[in-house]
Amino acid sequence: NAGVTQTPKFQVLKTGQSMTLQCAQDMNHEYMSWYRQDPGMGLRLIHYSVGAGITDQGEVPNGYNVSRSTTEDFPLRLLSAAPSQTSVYFCASSLAGATDTQYFGPGTRLTVL
Amino acid sequence: GDSVTQMEGPVTLSEEAFLTINCTYTATGYPSLFWYVQYPGEGLQLLLKATKADDKGSNKGFEATYRKETTSFHLEKGSVQVSDSAVYFCALSDPPPGYALNFGKGTSLLVTP
Repeated sequence: NAGVTQTPKFQVLKTGQSMTLQCAQDMNHEYMSWYRQDPGMGLRLIHYSVGAGITDQGEVPNGYNVSRSTTEDFPLRLLSAAPSQTSVYFCASSLAGATDTQYFGPGTRLTVL
Repeated sequence: GDSVTQMEGPVTLSEEAFLTINCTYTATGYPSLFWYVQYPGEGLQLLLKATKADDKGSNKGFEATYRKETTSFHLEKGSVQVSDSAVYFCALSDPPPGYALNFGKGTSLLVTP
């Protein structure tokens, strides 16, 4: 099993550009989520999904979109990148929810100029 | 809302020293409590968890006890190793299904030979 994979590992964008961060898991997990990690802030939940076709907002959803068309994939879209979105992004998955063990991907480091 | 407060780092210890990282929480219900660890350049991974009062989670020599009366979940290890150098995050989730994890800001630990 590859676990949770994320691409790309690093990305530099200019303000106003859009992009999609990819996340995939091969563990047949129903629950998937996206966090951003900023210095001194811990991890903050952006969006989550409890199954294919079902998504909901977390603590900091503004400027991000998600969709869940398959169990395996949960992409995160930045609609119009802003410098405030410079961060490290982690995708995580678990069997059924946040109370189950979360399996994190290696992260994507995004810089917005 | 629910929140987690953990001691600020960085914490620097000599090998074989005793480790305590304090974590307290605020929650309206009966959350599950977690410690996640992030090694340099990697995603987070679960270290241990406890789902109800007086439960003790343990793994790799680390322990933490769910104390409802003091709303605490302090992480301890009797003898740290250089390989324990990492960032440690305390987190809580609402009772199942629990759709979100609330993380503390993280405590950086450096263990020197």
